[in-house]
Order: sequence, then C-alpha cells, then structure tokens
Amino acid sequence: DGGITQSPKYLFRKEGQNVTLSCEQNLNHDAMYWYRQDPGQGLRLIYYSQIVNDFQKGDIAEGYSVSREKKESFPLTVTSAQKNPTAFYLCASLATGYNQPQHFGDGTRLSIL
Amino acid sequence: GQQLNQSPQSMFIQEGEDVSMNCTSSSIFNTWLWYKQDPGEGPVLLIALYKAGELTSNGRLTAQFGITRKDSFLNISASIPSDVGIYFCAGQPLSGTYKYIFGTGTRLKVLA
Repeated sequence: DGGITQSPKYLFRKEGQNVTLSCEQNLNHDAMYWYRQDPGQGLRLIYYSQIVNDFQKGDIAEGYSVSREKKESFPLTVTSAQKNPTAFYLCASLATGYNQPQHFGDGTRLSIL
Repeated sequence: GQQLNQSPQSMFIQEGEDVSMNCTSSSIFNTWLWYKQDPGEGPVLLIALYKAGELTSNGRLTAQFGITRKDSFLNISASIPSDVGIYFCAGQPLSGTYKYIFGTGTRLKVLA
C-alpha cells in the first residue's frame, strides 16, 4: 500500500548526541515536510523540501538538519545543538499541483535519556 | 510562525450529540484541510476543501470552506466514543508555496 513510513517509532537520545529520524514515502510525492509537535500544541514546521536536492527552513529549524538526495526519502537529524529535542516528530508529503492535501506518517517520539 | 485560531480548544460532549468547531485566520487561504489525530499516531485526513463556500461531507462529518476564505467549520453529527481525539485544521495560504499552516487543535472527549 502507498504511504509514508517513519522509523523508529520511539527514539532516545543521550546528551551531546546527534540522532536521525527516517521518513520514506512511496506516493511519488514531490514535496516533503518535517513537523514538531509538543503536548497540547499544534504542528510547527521544521524543514520542507519541494524537490530533490533542495530544502528550506521552516519556523523552528535551529538545531535540526535535513537532506533530500532521493525523492522518496527525507531524513531529519536532531543535532546536539537542539537543547530541547523531546517531542513528537511528524513527516508529511504532498503531491505538487492544484488541490492536493498533505498526508502524514505515524510519527517518531524522541526522548532524552 | 503564523498559526490559525482554532476553537474550542477542548470539549466534553455526551454520546449522540452534535459537535461544531472552527478555524479562523487573518489571511486568505486557497485550501482548507481537516485532520483527526489519535494519541501517539499521525494525523489522518478527514476532509479537504478547495473552493470558497464548498460544503463537503464524509459520513457523519461535514466541513465548509468559509465564503470569506478566512475560515472553515467542521461538524460531527451523532458523536460516538471513537470520535475521541484531536482535530486539526490546516490552511494553505495564497503565497504560492506548498506550505500549510496548522491550527492548535480541538481536543474532543465523548462521554458514553
């Protein structure tokens, strides 16, 4: 079935460590997104990419990095510079063009050890 | 970053009651989406609206794209316990980029 796969479901980070969250989609969507969700809050955009080898910062990009080497994949690295990384991270994708909704993966919960 | 004003923030209702929630913005949007999120899961698309004034249904759910293009409404009729969750609206601005702005969510709890 077509969809967006995020892995792992749960991730733990030690102080000073970088961790990478995986997002893969087989929907042939051009655009991909990373959001952060904190308890009781809406979704905040970290990074997005509209085409391969190109990406833009969202509203809260500091302490995060991404790459888009393949259309299907948009990994997010949470660096040691992100001092408050504990959150639920959601990946989404979108087919570019008119009247296209955004679809989400099932999320990765990141916690600090 | 810009966010939509979504209300109410939370609501408790009795099973069988109808539910209404809405999102408003100071900006014009060309698309409105409504999602439901269960705990520990990603948001699932419920309804997509692409035209001002559009009224669309999905089972017991009905959503409308406001005529001013600055608001949208979601109604749930005859609520059932599995309607529990967080409902998010999302709007796509006219800026030409493929970005969506999200509301802060309405947390719905249904009392059996």
